Amino acid sequence: GAGVSQSPSNKVTEKGKDVELRCDPISGHTALYWYRQSLGQGLEFLIYFQGNSAPDKSGLPSDRFSAERTGGSVSTLTIQRTQQEDSAVYLCASSLNRVFLFFGQGTRLTVV
Amino acid sequence: AQSVSQHNHHVILSEAASLELGCNYSYGGTVNLFWYVQYPGQHLQLLLKYFSGDPLVKGIKGFEAEFIKSKFSFNLRKPSVQWSDTAEYFCAVIPGGTGGFKTIFGAGTRLFVKA
Repeated sequence: GAGVSQSPSNKVTEKGKDVELRCDPISGHTALYWYRQSLGQGLEFLIYFQGNSAPDKSGLPSDRFSAERTGGSVSTLTIQRTQQEDSAVYLCASSLNRVFLFFGQGTRLTVV
Repeated sequence: AQSVSQHNHHVILSEAASLELGCNYSYGGTVNLFWYVQYPGQHLQLLLKYFSGDPLVKGIKGFEAEFIKSKFSFNLRKPSVQWSDTAEYFCAVIPGGTGGFKTIFGAGTRLFVKA
């Protein structure tokens, strides 16, 4: 597609369940980023992929969070045993040159 | 800790008022600087950028920003705001310039322009 696509757009899950969030970047963009946007917190960096490898996972808040990218394209962010503090908007961005970021619409995750 | 600080979380202005949103960063050395904007219901998008050269950069929709290296600042300005400028504005920095890869964002400033 022409832009970064994220799915689902909204997800409500029960505390303790696992969730998977998907990001389909702009075709040809080798860099992919995940950010978390919480109310009043701005954008919190989670992880960066260059191709299929993740040189920087420093932003993942706990070992319940993991991400992978396959084929240099689609990425999945997985949150295991979700907690209420995981509720946020999860944003994916892709970039051709690691400078200009193109964002998706985000996935709004609500843990109840 | 190294960070990007935006001075105001919420700003309310009337149409035609002038706007200045503050941004300071704490990274030394070369940096690339950005302002991103998120209009209601839309995705984040780039408003303007600074890499090098003239410290006064102009972006879309009449916005401009000034890089003051000595103050580690990159404030966003617009002489006369419009109702359509209502949005959330994020200052962002790539430490290390083009050698870096991680864009660090400020907490954002929500601007509401009254018609």
